[in-house]
Amino acid sequence: GQNIDQPTEMTATEGAIVQINCTYQTSGFNGLFWYQQHAGEAPTFLSYNVLDGLEEKGRFSSFLSRSKGYSYLLLKELQMKDSASYLCAGTDSWGKFQFGAGTQVVVTP
Amino acid sequence: DVKVTQSSRYLVKRTGEKVFLECVQDMDHENMFWYRQDPGLGLRLIYFSYDVKMKEKGDIPEGYSVSREKKERFSLILESASTNQTSMYLCASSREAGILTQETQYFGPGTRLLVL
Repeated sequence: GQNIDQPTEMTATEGAIVQINCTYQTSGFNGLFWYQQHAGEAPTFLSYNVLDGLEEKGRFSSFLSRSKGYSYLLLKELQMKDSASYLCAGTDSWGKFQFGAGTQVVVTP
Repeated sequence: DVKVTQSSRYLVKRTGEKVFLECVQDMDHENMFWYRQDPGLGLRLIYFSYDVKMKEKGDIPEGYSVSREKKERFSLILESASTNQTSMYLCASSREAGILTQETQYFGPGTRLLVL
């Protein structure tokens, strides 16, 4: 496995920025996915990084450093609907996913 | 839109019962996966399949088996349910990955199973 590590919970206020960090073991690593999961719902795809650098998609951005085994998901201009669990997942060359335990983001008014 | 459906949202079974969880996807995806999700542990892979009639063990296959007789359908079987199999079960599917590409997984809504 890739031992995906991410914080358990983060709290931020509406309109703020939150950065969720994710670290992984680089052995056998291929790429990194971020998913959003609202309570009681299925995870939905947010972003995918395979090369070093920043991928921006509207209010959400994801960064990857392959040499450091590190990624982050940046959520800007937080909205109440962004309250959810955010899952980091590393993949190997066979396409097998290893998920982190998820980071619960709580957005307060 | 990709659609992954699971046969039940909630299921209550007794210890020792045989349990079938069904998953169907409508996008002709080659790959299908079964996970269980528990608080603090995240998603853990039980079994996956890259093609019809093919199956591979994931990280926690003990106590489970699977069946993939048709491309669109992937079934998870609990031969003799136990209380430690109480969990949320999520099915996912994806296209076949290329040499330099990865494909995202699309998840079903989940089945919350309670074993008494």
